[in-house]
Amino acid sequence: DAGVIQSPRHEVTEMGQEVTLRCKPISGHDYLFWYRQTMMRGLELLIYFNNNVPIDDSGMPEDRFSAKMPNASFSTLKIQPSEPRDSAVYFCASTSGTSGYEQYFGPGTRLTVT
Amino acid sequence: AQSVAQPEDQVNVAEGNPLTVKCTYSVSGNPYLFWYVQYPNRGLQFLLKYITGDNLVKGSYGFEAEFNKSQTSFHLKKPSALVSDSALYFCAVSLTGANNLFFGTGTRLTVIP
Repeated sequence: DAGVIQSPRHEVTEMGQEVTLRCKPISGHDYLFWYRQTMMRGLELLIYFNNNVPIDDSGMPEDRFSAKMPNASFSTLKIQPSEPRDSAVYFCASTSGTSGYEQYFGPGTRLTVT
Repeated sequence: AQSVAQPEDQVNVAEGNPLTVKCTYSVSGNPYLFWYVQYPNRGLQFLLKYITGDNLVKGSYGFEAEFNKSQTSFHLKKPSALVSDSALYFCAVSLTGANNLFFGTGTRLTVIP
């Protein structure tokens, strides 16, 4: 398996623009997580899905952030409108009970909002 | 509520010496405990986990960790450090395994040649 795939790897955008981050989980995994990592706040869980259904989105910073999982092999995290404070590395991870619940992380998307 | 603490932001150790990266946790139940490693510009990689059974858990790259219920600790150890072990290490805890995985703030390990 290719592991968790994220795109783009780097994104530079201007404040006010819409940003869409994409994730393909490992095939067969039924949990998908979105995290944000910054120097100031460390690693934060934004939202997670189980069987494509959002279970806990309490970590989503505000209404500008939204996440979807239309099928088992694809998820998006959208920021609209983006702000400079959204600059961070965004990670997607997946897991399943049959894999022992260890989460497998993608390489991340480094977002810079100017 | 559940939480995890990594009391040291930075740990320096000489190559060949044993290393310990500390982690303590707080959960209202039986914890699932994990260690992850992050190399520069990479995602986190799973090292090892404790769910149940033997308190000493062995993982990837020669790392091991000991679950101590009385001290609510899950320290990461390695008998002989390598320069290539230099990275950021995260401890994480969950009550159910799959969801609500709380990560510590991370400990940067530097192995000095």
